[in-house]
Amino acid sequence: GAGVSQSPSNKVTEKGKDVELRCDPISGHTALYWYRQSLGQGLEFLIYFQGNSAPDKSGLPSDRFSAERTGGSVSTLTIQRTQQEDSAVYLCASSLAQANEQFFGPGTRLTVL
Amino acid sequence: GNSVTQMEGPVTLSEEAFLTINCTYTATGYPSLFWYVQYPGEGLQLLLKATKADDKGSNKGFEATYRKETTSFHLEKGSVQVSDSAVYFCALGNTGNQFYFGTGTSLTVIP
Repeated sequence: GAGVSQSPSNKVTEKGKDVELRCDPISGHTALYWYRQSLGQGLEFLIYFQGNSAPDKSGLPSDRFSAERTGGSVSTLTIQRTQQEDSAVYLCASSLAQANEQFFGPGTRLTVL
Repeated sequence: GNSVTQMEGPVTLSEEAFLTINCTYTATGYPSLFWYVQYPGEGLQLLLKATKADDKGSNKGFEATYRKETTSFHLEKGSVQVSDSAVYFCALGNTGNQFYFGTGTSLTVIP
């Protein structure tokens, strides 16, 4: 693929509902990262995958957040029982290996009403 | 540990002015350093990078030199344009760890 893709591009949900955000990394990229960017804020690291395993989950804000990656490719970030403070742009990035440059997707803008 | 400290904004400059955005880091080992840019309404994209001490990254008239002695990677441009208005992020990548991003510096260039 040409680049990292994310879906949906926009998601509006009601408080308390679950949402799934999808990331398709660049083919062959072994490392995959999820970040959150709130309005006017910097990037907040959430989780990263090396292959299918997640060595570092330290950034997940609460146990309502989880992520998985299958086949060393697509990743899904799930937020259960969404809260208004979860509203943000969720960014996915991939890289050939750790510490290499990251290529970012366009993000999913999540709005929790 | 690893961390990045970035000059706070917002920064407002007139066209053709000189730009410096400061970035310092703390790291174990030998990290790579990056500047990313986010133009309004767009995603983050790599602007430049340096992988070892004394390397200079450059792109689109922007430059940054990896200074190990001062643990810095300041972004500079000699003459900014209106089209450079964006948010700039300094980042550190280190083996065995996540990427570390600065908080971002918003730049507005006025004609």
